Order: sequence, then C-alpha cells, then structure tokens
Amino acid sequence: QKEVEQNSGPLSVPEGAIASLNCTYSDRGSQSFFWYRQYSGKSPELIMFIYSNGDKEDGRFTAQLNKASQYVSLLIRDSQPSDSATYLCAVNPGVTGGGNKLTFGTGTQLKVEL
Amino acid sequence: DGGITQSPKYLFRKEGQNVTLSCEQNLNHDAMYWYRQDPGQGLRLIYYSQIVNDFQKGDIAEGYSVSREKKESFPLTVTSAQKNPTAFYLCASSITVSGANVLTFGAGSRLTVL
Repeated sequence: QKEVEQNSGPLSVPEGAIASLNCTYSDRGSQSFFWYRQYSGKSPELIMFIYSNGDKEDGRFTAQLNKASQYVSLLIRDSQPSDSATYLCAVNPGVTGGGNKLTFGTGTQLKVEL
Repeated sequence: DGGITQSPKYLFRKEGQNVTLSCEQNLNHDAMYWYRQDPGQGLRLIYYSQIVNDFQKGDIAEGYSVSREKKESFPLTVTSAQKNPTAFYLCASSITVSGANVLTFGAGSRLTVL
C-alpha cells in the first residue's frame, strides 16, 4: 500500500464548477497535510495545509480532513481554466515516520474546460 | 525577494560524469531538502538536512551525495553510481507554521543524461 494515494486523473470539470480532489494516507499518526499545485514543467506551489479535523477555507479553496478515515480532500469552487494543473497531496508523518519529512502522492491532474 | 535559487535550470550529462546541482536560499530556513520527480510519479526524497553540518538519507539516496557547510546552501551531487539520473530535481527549504512543516520549493533543475 502506498503511503499517500491519489487518483492520477485526469479529472475534467467545466468552468465554474466545483472540483473535488481526494487523497488517502496510510500512517495513522500523520500530523499535518498539504496541498500543492504544480503546473507542467514548474515546481510545486503551496495552496494550503490543514492539521485539525474538519474544514479549512482559503478563498476558493477548501481543505477537508478526516483523520478517522485517513483522507484529506481539496475542493476548488468556481473552477477556472487557470486552475488546470496537477495537485499534489503531501503528508507529514508521525514521529515514527521520520519527523519533518513530507511524503507526496503522485498527484491528480485537473483540467478545467471552457 | 526571499526565495530559493536552483542552478542550472537545465543540465546535460554524459554517462559516467558526476554533476553538482546548486541550491541557495535566503529565507533563513534551517531545514533543506532534495526531491526527485519522474514523469507520472510523485516527489521522492533524496536527502534532507535539518541543521548545518548534518544531513540524512531520504528514500532514494543511492548514487547521490550532499553537503551542508552553510545554512544558505545545500548542493546535490549526482554521481556516476546513479544509474538512472534523468529527472527533474527540486530543492526545498522549510519553516514550521502552527506546528506544520511548510516546504517552499525552488524552480527546479532538469537533468538529462545523453
């Protein structure tokens, strides 16, 4: 089982719709969870992070964390063509997982269509 | 502007040659990281350093070496022992925000073996 799993996609949504990206993780002791956006040929950029159960909102983005079910999701409201990118989920493992290292999923490709 | 500078952006290497990728940060971050990204794969950790003069192997350290003589600098050497070095290399540094280890990435270096 991979430590951090994401559906590779592509996930296609029409402009203005809500895009929902999901991520599951295996280390139950994981402490914090990150979403990065990566445009083709570029480096990842942090969108947001979450460490408490529930929702965290930042503009059009909402991260949702459910530690009991070991999943984290990212909702993008009013999707725009400029949101078309690969979204990487990353997890900061618990103490037994090596402290401050982040483990990344393989990413979900999002395509927002006009 | 504070940030992470990676050089060169593109690098071509003949088989059997060692090459060194530069990473410099002016963010005053203690921790620095090197990740490798292959097409369709997530980021895999090569080496990381949490303080000057100390570094640890990541998940795929074989064929790579690093040094951390200054807080600002964390160069990566890809040795001839690395059998499949063609990849996108990402350097990052991190700071703790609300208990979460937040990584910021450089623009990346793309290495191609001829």
